[in-house]
Amino acid sequence: AQTVTQSQPEMSVQEAETVTLSCTYDTSESDYYLFWYKQPPSRQMILVIRQEAYKQQNATENRFSVNFQKAAKSFSLKISDSQLGDAAMYFCASLETSGSRLTFGEGTQLTVNP
Amino acid sequence: GAVVSQHPSRVICKSGTSVKIECRSLDFQATTMFWYRQFPKQSLMLMATSNEGSKATYEQGVEKDKFLINHASLTLSTLTVTSAHPEDSSFYICSAPFNEQYFGPGTRLTVT
Repeated sequence: AQTVTQSQPEMSVQEAETVTLSCTYDTSESDYYLFWYKQPPSRQMILVIRQEAYKQQNATENRFSVNFQKAAKSFSLKISDSQLGDAAMYFCASLETSGSRLTFGEGTQLTVNP
Repeated sequence: GAVVSQHPSRVICKSGTSVKIECRSLDFQATTMFWYRQFPKQSLMLMATSNEGSKATYEQGVEKDKFLINHASLTLSTLTVTSAHPEDSSFYICSAPFNEQYFGPGTRLTVT
């Protein structure tokens, strides 16, 4: 069974600064995917970034990048040049390629201060 | 990208009545859909996996007679909350996989 843990219930960052959200996971599978989802106040789940476990290169999407440490089972999200619109709940999630169900972490509420 | 819709977005019902929530994949076919429940400031809790043409698979602790799931077609899954009680008030989200998971906008259920 997969588990995903986010140890930071809340984080805050000043506008234009950089913030890193932490995530650790556990899986018995060798092939899996990792994701970061954003849930703004509208509560629509939005995919921020995904990482295939077999890829060593860290995924990046504009201001969002990850630090994927496979041996340590760590998958942190870095948000650069934070914007007010980045304020949201962020969920880390894993997906084993043998199935199609996501396992979510507890979430981190990010506040961006102007 | 692919779109998943949910209807209604908000519903208020009286205790003891039933309410149906629809989840549709608008531009792709989904043999599997997932139903989640989310309490304020908490994570998504998987309730069940909806399978087109077969019975849903419920997570441990979820009452299948209370939360009826029907995957009527390749683009529609419904969740019916039967004999609703105030403790069923929550935010319900569906998702469907299509290369990645696409989420519906959610349904806020309030039982009075």
